[in-house]
Amino acid sequence: DAGITQSPRYKITETGRQVTLMCHQTWSHSYMFWYRQDLGHGLRLIYYSAAADITDKGEVPDGYVVSRSKTENFPLTLESATRSQTSVYFCASSESFRKGYEQYFGPGTRLTVT
Amino acid sequence: AQSVAQPEDQVNVAEGNPLTVKCTYSVSGNPYLFWYVQYPNRGLQFLLKYITGDNLVKGSYGFEAEFNKSQTSFHLKKPSALVSDSALYFCAVRANDYKLSFGAGTTVTVRA
Repeated sequence: DAGITQSPRYKITETGRQVTLMCHQTWSHSYMFWYRQDLGHGLRLIYYSAAADITDKGEVPDGYVVSRSKTENFPLTLESATRSQTSVYFCASSESFRKGYEQYFGPGTRLTVT
Repeated sequence: AQSVAQPEDQVNVAEGNPLTVKCTYSVSGNPYLFWYVQYPNRGLQFLLKYITGDNLVKGSYGFEAEFNKSQTSFHLKKPSALVSDSALYFCAVRANDYKLSFGAGTTVTVRA
């Protein structure tokens, strides 16, 4: 089906391990985003990408790495997971956010770091 | 800084009654405003947006929102609420070329 998908949907990992969360969209949207959702903090932007090979930091980038070699994929890597990175992670995409197009969100990945 | 505020953590209404979820904004320049809904264990779903034009914006699932520049508000409304409208609602403003700034969210409960 067309749209935006995330994998895995649920992940449990141990402190110090590297974890990669995948995001794939079929619309060929230029913009892609990673957010985390936490009680008391709402949704916070981690990284964003305006196009393939163009990425930049959001509000809370520390401990995360992104890449975007292809327009449709935007993986998020936790290089050495910490308990504070336990959260629900959402990927989003937008045709042209700069021009006011809305963002479309994936179903989320619930990550638990033990 | 561009921001939105949702003054109510929770809204409770009876099915069939009107539903209003409040949002106020603070921006410099013209605001791009959005409403999203989140059902349990799901991602955010886009409902509607205001960019320019008519102050009354119609969106998905029978929702609409009224942009009021003088009151800096963008309240979400539905004339007749359904039990299935029970969810978490977020107001958001485009803060810059890449960032959406979200409100804290309002939990809507519609009782049968």
